[in-house]
Amino acid sequence: DGGITQSPKYLFRKEGQNVTLSCEQNLNHDAMYWYRQDPGQGLRLIYYSQIVNDFQKGDIAEGYSVSREKKESFPLTVTSAQKNPTAFYLCASRRRSSTDTQYFGPGTRLTVL
Amino acid sequence: SQQGEEDPQALSIQEGENATMNCSYKTSINNLQWYRQNSGRGLVHLILIRSNEREKHSGRLRVTLDTSKKSSSLLITASRAADTASYFCASITQGGSEKLVFGKGMKLTVNP
Repeated sequence: DGGITQSPKYLFRKEGQNVTLSCEQNLNHDAMYWYRQDPGQGLRLIYYSQIVNDFQKGDIAEGYSVSREKKESFPLTVTSAQKNPTAFYLCASRRRSSTDTQYFGPGTRLTVL
Repeated sequence: SQQGEEDPQALSIQEGENATMNCSYKTSINNLQWYRQNSGRGLVHLILIRSNEREKHSGRLRVTLDTSKKSSSLLITASRAADTASYFCASITQGGSEKLVFGKGMKLTVNP
């Protein structure tokens, strides 16, 4: 059953703590993306990776970090430097062609207590 | 930065009616895509239209693209309650990196 998975679905964090969100895909896609979505807003790009061991900052990378050690995995760490981390986080993947669509995971809702 | 802007921001219709959503964008694009998001879920791709295409159909969906006006529209015909969702347009700019830029979305409510 191919697809893209994110875990956990809900995550609670205390202020000052780092937390890592998981994203895994078995679609053999080269590119992976992390987006942040706030209520009533569109998606804003945090980081993206077009190939293993390489990634680029998106529009709102401050306070976040990523790694791409394996093609299937693209974890996102929300650090304590992120001032307003409460949001819905979406991971996506796609093949390299510009006409290919993105496939999204179900999302992780992060709440800072 | 957000490339697309959907209009209207919210639309409420009765089942069976048609729903039209518009999207305007700022820079030249390679293609424009429409996605749907059910509440609290991930996005699902609906349809893609290339910059050299003017109209495309997929089931009850019809998308048009006017590159001279930098706008696109998504028409859902014979709407159903299950079409209730948020709809986003997204585009990849010409000559840019392989990033999709999303609009803020439009909330469609289809009343049974």
